[in-house]
Amino acid sequence: EAQVTQNPRYLITVTGKKLTVTCSQNMNHEYMSWYRQDPGLGLRQIYYSMNVEVTDKGDVPEGYKVSRKEKRNFPLILESPSPNQTSLYFCASSSGGGPSTNEKLFFGSGTQLSVL
Amino acid sequence: AQSVSQHNHHVILSEAASLELGCNYSYGGTVNLFWYVQYPGQHLQLLLKYFSGDPLVKGIKGFEAEFIKSKFSFNLRKPSVQWSDTAEYFCAVNAARDDKIIFGKGTRLHILP
Repeated sequence: EAQVTQNPRYLITVTGKKLTVTCSQNMNHEYMSWYRQDPGLGLRQIYYSMNVEVTDKGDVPEGYKVSRKEKRNFPLILESPSPNQTSLYFCASSSGGGPSTNEKLFFGSGTQLSVL
Repeated sequence: AQSVSQHNHHVILSEAASLELGCNYSYGGTVNLFWYVQYPGQHLQLLLKYFSGDPLVKGIKGFEAEFIKSKFSFNLRKPSVQWSDTAEYFCAVNAARDDKIIFGKGTRLHILP
């Protein structure tokens, strides 16, 4: 089954403790991206990747890192999480050039992160 | 910079009522337009999209949207809503040749049975 898999589904951590949220897709998609969803703010793009070793900042990249060493994986890294990073995070992937080529995004089920 | 505005944050309708959710964007060039839906407890999924051609786009579950270039709008419509349409709806815009996508803040739709 074609899908985007995020782990973990829920995560509670403390300020400053490094964490990684994994994202994997089995559709051989070139484009992958991360979003955070906050009440009243909708979805905001954190980072995106057009292909292996190609990543770029979205609208809210501060405090986050990503890597794209393999086509299927796109982990989101919080080196020193802070409470303002408490949010619902979604990973998504798309074939071809992603939204710029009118391709739809396939979303993962989300990761609810709480930073205490 | 691109931006997307969804006029209604929360809409409540009765079943069989007609629906129109507003979406306006700010970008003067060619755009790709999308509507995504998030049902309670689920991830986002695509309802419909527009790239070029017929400005009236039909999507899944009886939804349609009309692109009006002169108004920078891409409003979502459904003639007769169902209780199962209760969800949050997001308009999204991508400027062609740009790899980013900008989402609106979402509209929560609640359908009364």
